[in-house]
Amino acid sequence: EPEVTQTPSHQVTQMGQEVILRCVPISNHLYFYWYRQILGQKVEFLVSFYNNEISEKSEIFDDQFSVERPDGSNFTLKIRSTKLEDSAMYFCASRGQGPGKGYTFGSGTRLTVV
Amino acid sequence: QQPVQSPQAVILREGEDAVINCSSSKALYSVHWYRQKHGEAPVFLMILLKGGEQKGHEKISASFNEKKQQSSLYLTASQLSYSGTYFCGTANYGGSQGNLIFGKGTKLSVKP
Repeated sequence: EPEVTQTPSHQVTQMGQEVILRCVPISNHLYFYWYRQILGQKVEFLVSFYNNEISEKSEIFDDQFSVERPDGSNFTLKIRSTKLEDSAMYFCASRGQGPGKGYTFGSGTRLTVV
Repeated sequence: QQPVQSPQAVILREGEDAVINCSSSKALYSVHWYRQKHGEAPVFLMILLKGGEQKGHEKISASFNEKKQQSSLYLTASQLSYSGTYFCGTANYGGSQGNLIFGKGTKLSVKP
């Protein structure tokens, strides 16, 4: 069964450093998403991406965040200057076209900011 | 805009049934249900589109009342493997604007 692949699985970074989280969505999917989940809490929407541009973003997704799909397969989330409160599990998800399609989530990247 | 799930937690014995509810204050285009086991990614269970349909997935089924902006997930004859946190995700629109907003989750524990 097709999978969404995320790397790295765990990243530890110093406060103020830049991090890039990588995702390879399912190849024929058209909609891409980043969500995050602070330990044991709800899954929070960050951003959606369709047709090579951001279609919607949440209040969390401020100027410190950016997304790219540089080569037609990878989908990256960059945090320019990490803060302690950015520590969370970050999930990438993708969805195929059509109204009855669910999201396929990757296994996540656990980001720890120290 | 975040949907409200209830109950927050359920403890069942194997073979018992459970209902998890999800409600929204805004008109819904679709409702998704996901299950997340500890330390893993959410896994898609089913999607319901506006129209009041009910769907089934083995012994797990769901309904969607568009008028009431509510959905319910029904787990019958629960198995140990059903344990996990169940999230509903709601979308107010379809297509590229149909981003899911998730509820806070319902933690289900099934005991032998």
